[in-house]
Amino acid sequence: QKEVEQNSGPLSVPEGAIASLNCTYSDRVSQSFFWYRQYSGKSPELIMSIYSNGDKEDGRFTAQLNKASQYVSLLIRDSQPSDSATYLCAVNGQAGTALIFGKGTTLSVSS
Amino acid sequence: GAVVSQHPSWVICKSGTSVKIECRSLDFQATTMFWYRQFPKQSLMLMATSNEGSKATYEQGVEKDKFLINHASLTLSTLTVTSAHPEDSSFYICSAREGAGGRELFFGEGSRLTVL
Repeated sequence: QKEVEQNSGPLSVPEGAIASLNCTYSDRVSQSFFWYRQYSGKSPELIMSIYSNGDKEDGRFTAQLNKASQYVSLLIRDSQPSDSATYLCAVNGQAGTALIFGKGTTLSVSS
Repeated sequence: GAVVSQHPSWVICKSGTSVKIECRSLDFQATTMFWYRQFPKQSLMLMATSNEGSKATYEQGVEKDKFLINHASLTLSTLTVTSAHPEDSSFYICSAREGAGGRELFFGEGSRLTVL
């Protein structure tokens, strides 16, 4: 069974710090990897996608992918209280299929 | 990104009644839409894949006669929860990709169902 694992947290960081979120996946043929942010009571919002090994940066967010280790991470620099949310890691195998989600990591940024 | 709209945002119904949730792709055509369900403090669980013009594909453990999915056009998929019971109370979220080659999945606003 295809699985996506995340530490549920909560992960607590002070404002301005770097938050590091990690995710591992079981399906070695996975091709696409995503990070979604979900505020309480809201639907997920896509914040990062990554498809090849290495780093991808977008503003304060950096996604890192290591397919050999089946590991994907998200770094949030200069964390803000508004970043407090649950971050969902999602993985896609074959094109056109649904995403498999991890259980999410709750991030709390204190001011 | 692409916009997916879902309606209603929340609904309260009595046990035994049926509830219909609509999911629309506003600025693109979606041959495939995905329906997820999320219970409190849990992750999104895929319920079914909705295919335009054909029958939906349900995940193991999801009752196809209880959760009716209709994907009648390239921009509209509906989920009907039939004979709803309190244990069906959940957050239902639809999603779609933009185009056949799109990788990113865009989500509707979600529909919170409460069955009394």
